Amino acid sequence: SAVISQKPSRDICQRGTSLTIQCQVDSQVTMMFWYRQQPGQSLTLIATANQGSEATYESGFVIDKFPISRPNLTFSTLTVSNMSPEDSSIYLCSVGQSGGKNIQYFGAGTRLSVL
Amino acid sequence: EDQVTQSPEALRLQEGESSSLNCSYTVSGLRGLFWYRQDPGKGPEFLFTLYSAGEEKEKERLKATLTKKESFLHITAPKPEDSATYLCAVQALGASKIIFGSGTRLSIRP
Repeated sequence: SAVISQKPSRDICQRGTSLTIQCQVDSQVTMMFWYRQQPGQSLTLIATANQGSEATYESGFVIDKFPISRPNLTFSTLTVSNMSPEDSSIYLCSVGQSGGKNIQYFGAGTRLSVL
Repeated sequence: EDQVTQSPEALRLQEGESSSLNCSYTVSGLRGLFWYRQDPGKGPEFLFTLYSAGEEKEKERLKATLTKKESFLHITAPKPEDSATYLCAVQALGASKIIFGSGTRLSIRP
């Protein structure tokens, strides 16, 4: 399985500011995913990020609020823009395993608190 | 609409007391069903994937089974270190994304 590193691990931010979360993988992967996990809740997919193309956003998530970059096969960023307290959540990066098994492996997450 | 429902929401067991967690799903053609374990403050850790009805997978005290409508995660003689939230997820045919259930919080008392 891939080793996935997320930065920062946690942050406390002020309302109206933006935070960029980085996801680094130790091997080349085609598909990367960004999830949100609100307190006590399960995981909700924000978007799928494929290298060389625009990210595909799920219903309820828009590019202006959550811009994503995918400059190469080992790295992606998610920005949470113009934050409000409702954005307080854990943000998780995952990568899809190639070879047909479709297993996703997750980073440790970024715990974001917005004041 | 593809959907995953897990029960119970929370389960408290005594050490050594075996039990099962349920994952019911509706999906337009199943590509795979996944079980993850999530400890507080960490990302989900992959446990099993099941692809077809009748399939079973085992790992230490855990055994996952699959039917056409649901999956069970059986835990035999659990230990306190098995305490975690267990997440079930499904992937539909032709889809790249997986859909997660709300999880079962398992607590094992010594």
